[in-house]
Amino acid sequence: KQEVTQIPAALSVPEGENLVLNCSFTDSAIYNLQWFRQDPGKGLTSLLLIQSSQREQTSGRLNASLDKSSGRSTLYIAASQPGDSATYLCATSSGTYKYIFGTGTRLKVLA
Amino acid sequence: DTGVSQDPRHKITKRGQNVTFRCDPISEHNRLYWYRQTLGQGPEFLTYFQNEAQLEKSRLLSDRFSAERPKGSFSTLEIQRTEQGDSAMYLCASSSSGTRYEQYFGPGTRLTVT
Repeated sequence: KQEVTQIPAALSVPEGENLVLNCSFTDSAIYNLQWFRQDPGKGLTSLLLIQSSQREQTSGRLNASLDKSSGRSTLYIAASQPGDSATYLCATSSGTYKYIFGTGTRLKVLA
Repeated sequence: DTGVSQDPRHKITKRGQNVTFRCDPISEHNRLYWYRQTLGQGPEFLTYFQNEAQLEKSRLLSDRFSAERPKGSFSTLEIQRTEQGDSAMYLCASSSSGTRYEQYFGPGTRLTVT
């Protein structure tokens, strides 16, 4: 059974810092890994999707990497801004394509 | 395309009442998923449809829960005889049967059972 863990659970950084969020998973037989952002009381906004054959994806200040063999993914946020404050969730999919989510990292960027 | 929409956004009900939620997926997406999220947790999978067929249901989906997707378009999730433990955010997502299966989420329905 796939288990997804995100560390740290919460993170507070000053504006302008580069930061890394971690996601680990127990079963390397994944199809996709997707990173999401969730603002309080809202739905999920897709940030980046990495297919199992890929090593990384980039979008603006965000870069996500995937290492299937070690069961890890990282989300790198460059030059953080207060507007980046949110909960970041990673999720993996396997054969049936349903997603298994981690519990998230709550990020606060201080102005 | 306006994305995935869900209705209502908020629902407050008394224990024992029945509630129904609606999800309208992105129009060309043939896969539709329901998840439930409680405070401080990541979403948990409930069920999914490919077109009108319900292909998988989680053991979280007790007999009080039923989901439908008539004609492979919108979907409804009904909870009968609600319990306080049903209080959660119910999220709907859709994807297409392409090479990526990227899931797009709606804004969710917040259910509070009093």
